[in-house]
Amino acid sequence: GQQLNQSPQSMFIQEGEDVSMNCTSSSIFNTWLWYKQDPGEGPVLLIALYKAGELTSNGRLTAQFGITRKDSFLNISASIPSDVGIYFCAGQSSNTGNQFYFGTGTSLTVIP
Amino acid sequence: NAGVTQTPKFQVLKTGQSMTLQCAQDMNHEYMSWYRQDPGMGLRLIHYSVGAGITDQGEVPNGYNVSRSTTEDFPLRLLSAAPSQTSVYFCASSYVAGLGYTFGSGTRLTVV
Repeated sequence: GQQLNQSPQSMFIQEGEDVSMNCTSSSIFNTWLWYKQDPGEGPVLLIALYKAGELTSNGRLTAQFGITRKDSFLNISASIPSDVGIYFCAGQSSNTGNQFYFGTGTSLTVIP
Repeated sequence: NAGVTQTPKFQVLKTGQSMTLQCAQDMNHEYMSWYRQDPGMGLRLIHYSVGAGITDQGEVPNGYNVSRSTTEDFPLRLLSAAPSQTSVYFCASSYVAGLGYTFGSGTRLTVV
């Protein structure tokens, strides 16, 4: 299967700090998605990116589709306690049979 | 509430037993899929369907069967459970393949 490397694996930050995480692939993707998963729940879609270089925001969240099409980035500004969870990237292309492959996740802990 | 409904939420099986994990969506989505989530492995695609009567294998299909007789339902069958199938299983759907998925809340399966 496709290899999606997400980093960092985990983050411990103070409330109010900004957060950056990224996802890299060995393959070119046509679509990047970012999800958040709360404990005991399914992932919830945060942001979808469909074009290289695209920068999209959703409230305090901003994600970018890398120009090489092999990476994507997610930033969270002014973190709050409810940002706690696991963040997943997912990539898709015709090379993946149009199926989405997921990264291993970044676990975020926000310290009040 | 519209969405993806998975049952049961928790299940314990003995090695060799069979069972069916249920998934239903009421959003008239054509695309449905099953993922398993294991620690440090992210989400891995088991099987997917692009419409009623059409199914295909994902990244880790061995030991699982699926069928799609209606648009709404996409059950996952374990024919002879093995401890390696201990995992959290998520069903997801979308209007078409390539768009962001809506996930169910998961089924936590333990095989002893």
